[in-house]
Amino acid sequence: GAVVSQHPSRVICKSGTSVKIECRSLDFQATTMFWYRQFPKQSLMLMATSNEGSKATYEQGVEKDKFLINHASLTLSTLTVTSAHPEDSSFYICSARAERDTEAFFGQGTRLTVV
Amino acid sequence: QKEVEQDPGPLSVPEGAIVSLNCTYSNSAFQYFMWYRQYSRKGPELLMYTYSSGNKEDGRFTAQVDKSSKYISLFIRDSQPSDSATYLCAMNTGKLIFGQGTTLQVKP
Repeated sequence: GAVVSQHPSRVICKSGTSVKIECRSLDFQATTMFWYRQFPKQSLMLMATSNEGSKATYEQGVEKDKFLINHASLTLSTLTVTSAHPEDSSFYICSARAERDTEAFFGQGTRLTVV
Repeated sequence: QKEVEQDPGPLSVPEGAIVSLNCTYSNSAFQYFMWYRQYSRKGPELLMYTYSSGNKEDGRFTAQVDKSSKYISLFIRDSQPSDSATYLCAMNTGKLIFGQGTTLQVKP
């Protein structure tokens, strides 16, 4: 399958700081990237969908000013958690897809801990 | 009603058993179905991708879609301890919609 690289895999930050997570499609051009959040023993919760060159579409209840998503190129999307708080601690996962009706591939995930 | 329903388990089977994992969905417009495997603290790994009704086989894995019943299945033959993971079904409809995931444990 195609490769999606997510970085960093783990990050610990202080409350009030911002953290940037990168998601790269290494061997294909991703017209769409998805960002998910996953709590322990729960399924993936879609946060937002981003199409290259367009503003991200956020799911209901997700604060767009807190979770900034940029999809500036066909191989890179970033999620910035601004003014992080301990309740933002979670496992964040990105997914990338080449075309609408094709498979989506996932990154390895980023475990964020806010202290 | 959730768009995709999946029994979270856990499901425990002996090594070598045939495993059946299932999801039901409510939207008859769904046409693309996927199964992912997720190990603890890792991103999901795509196992199978199917379109419309029918069966698809890949090694020990068989994905089955019954659109008339809005029911999809993943069968694992000759299950191994390394198959122990959470299995997520997903529907591709512009965005991905996931089931809750079924935790599978294969005991040696």
